[in-house]
Amino acid sequence: ETGVTQTPRHLVMGMTNKKSLKCEQHLGHNAMYWYKQSAKKPLELMFVYNFKEQTENNSVPSRFSPECPNSSHLFLHLHTLQPEDSALYLCASSQDAGGNADTQYFGPGTRLTVL
Amino acid sequence: GESVGLHLPTLSVQEGDNSIINCAYSNSASDYFIWYKQESGKGPQFIIDIRSNMDKRQGQRVTVLLNKTVKHLSLQIAATQPGDSAVYFCAEKTTNTNAGKSTFGDGTTLTVKP
Repeated sequence: ETGVTQTPRHLVMGMTNKKSLKCEQHLGHNAMYWYKQSAKKPLELMFVYNFKEQTENNSVPSRFSPECPNSSHLFLHLHTLQPEDSALYLCASSQDAGGNADTQYFGPGTRLTVL
Repeated sequence: GESVGLHLPTLSVQEGDNSIINCAYSNSASDYFIWYKQESGKGPQFIIDIRSNMDKRQGQRVTVLLNKTVKHLSLQIAATQPGDSAVYFCAEKTTNTNAGKSTFGDGTTLTVKP
């Protein structure tokens, strides 16, 4: 275990549904990340939170809405998704998201299927 | 076995052989590099890292080599075992900026044949 948990592990939703992905880290880190991992593509950074403040939004469509209530929890709220949004969504944390050589620790991911 | 050239998406090796996985990066300002291993059904897991002031770093059965001149990174796995079968990613980071975000490579799928 990496100290980063994600729920649910699998999610199937229709295009009109609203759902949320949850991530929790038990490492005392200050930075948390959302990544999208699609087949045969590199990891795509979506959002970065550092000390609960969003520091990066990598041109992500507004149908994905992140929330970071504290340094240990990160949510990704989903609504009116498209089938092409089906992917593995990975959460990661690190000591901080500044200019440091720190390692990111990943959760197991949520496998999302949009019908 | 070795993934030759800039990047090959798959590498198949015999158990006990050495594996070499290659990665090319594009940002000459990158000064911190990480290799991750992702097993099926799991998130990426840190293996080893190297800073740009080094050209070689060794871990347990793994060695990372950095060639800044040609912007090339490699991961060597000694005596490859079935448990090494996974997707391996390299990541690069520029630590002298406030963003400090990592950029990930495409990944190489390593298959170890018993």
